[in-house]
Amino acid sequence: DQQVKQNSPSLSVQEGRISILNCDYTNSMFDYFLWYKKYPAEGPTFLISISSIKDKNEDGRFTVFLNKSAKHLSLHIVPSQPGDSAVYFCAARRYNNNDMRFGAGTRLTVKP
Amino acid sequence: DADVTQTPRNRITKTGKRIMLECSQTKGHDRMYWYRQDPGLGLRLIYYSFDVKDINKGEISDGYSVSRQAQAKFSLSLESAIPNQTALYFCATSDFTQGYEQFFGPGTRLTVL
Repeated sequence: DQQVKQNSPSLSVQEGRISILNCDYTNSMFDYFLWYKKYPAEGPTFLISISSIKDKNEDGRFTVFLNKSAKHLSLHIVPSQPGDSAVYFCAARRYNNNDMRFGAGTRLTVKP
Repeated sequence: DADVTQTPRNRITKTGKRIMLECSQTKGHDRMYWYRQDPGLGLRLIYYSFDVKDINKGEISDGYSVSRQAQAKFSLSLESAIPNQTALYFCATSDFTQGYEQFFGPGTRLTVL
């Protein structure tokens, strides 16, 4: 039972354009969401997060949007750079619960 | 030097063998985790530990055991490996003062023949 879903296994965008990665969840008890980035042969690294009390969080070129009513979040990367090419995982957890659930990941390719 | 290290990085073994994967960290974090990654399934939590005397099952603990030998060391054992345990395994750490962010090791690729 996948409670966090990333329905697009891959995404390709041109350098300088916007990348939008999507994530859906089913458990309404999730109240904290994170995005991780993973390069080949490395572990995932934390990118950005958002609490359920917010609907937007921004960090430089990266912005995460949360739509609680739709149980949907998205990661926007503007402008996209070739170095952003990686697999992006969406993750979600409940308050005071350490069982973090991950999506299957989306492979982003940014073409020069 | 890496803050979270995993050994071995790659391992090929046979069905029925006992395997231990080791994780060490120099971040001083109290919490440590073991995940496995499978294609199309993302990362799934196997076990986690909040300190040396604390062990908790995650989403998929069957067939695995863990040992927290010290604050900095957390090992994962497969008592009798089976082919569907072929996966990429990640160790992670966190500290409650830093919220929910977890720091991952580079991973161990395990193949069970």
